[in-house]
Amino acid sequence: QVQLVESGGGVVQPGKSLRLSCAVSGFTFSAFAIHWVRQAPGKGLEWVAVRSYDGYTKNYADSVKGRFTISRDKSKNSVSLQMNSLRVEDTAIYYCARAITSRTLSFDYWGPGTLVTVSS
Amino acid sequence: QSVLTQPPSVSAAPGQKVTISCSGSTSNIGNNYVSWYQQFPGTAPKLLIYDNDKRPSGIPDRFSGSKSGTSATLGITGLQTGDEADYYCGTWDTSLSSGMFGGGTKLTVL
Repeated sequence: QVQLVESGGGVVQPGKSLRLSCAVSGFTFSAFAIHWVRQAPGKGLEWVAVRSYDGYTKNYADSVKGRFTISRDKSKNSVSLQMNSLRVEDTAIYYCARAITSRTLSFDYWGPGTLVTVSS
Repeated sequence: QSVLTQPPSVSAAPGQKVTISCSGSTSNIGNNYVSWYQQFPGTAPKLLIYDNDKRPSGIPDRFSGSKSGTSATLGITGLQTGDEADYYCGTWDTSLSSGMFGGGTKLTVL
């Protein structure tokens, strides 16, 4: 069955880096775009980034542009989110999600999420 | 604050119908498909509606979606206490080349 599982979350100081991974299984990895979505404690959903199904296109929310990098590893069926220069406001649960179609936020499968806490 | 505007909360009695609106602009809702999600505390969101009005397999037809111009609407009929959750709209913004969600609407079934 389709599964997405995030890993790599934890507690990190402001200005430091963290790398999240999303391992996928149960479907053809190269056929779907994978997005990252986050949710700060008690707040709403915030779209973060996407790497297209073919890996050629990357898009980011303005709030993370220049600090976060999304990448795909076909050999490992995984998508990573490299987060640099972390800020307190980056504290959130980070979800990866599979998109049904391109250029939409139609996420039919989500991971359980991984918590990132940025604190001194 | 979110570019997509949703009412913070809505409420209705069991068995009744409720609608949740999502207002945007030409660059997002006006020219892209809208999706709707249901989220319970401590869990990942669940897709209810995609491509404006399509329901994934397993989603009951009590849930419906529509879009007109730069606004979209989620409708829920035959309300149940189990429908109490947060609901989010989401879409792509062509001008920003980014995704976006509405601020979320908390549904209370009185």
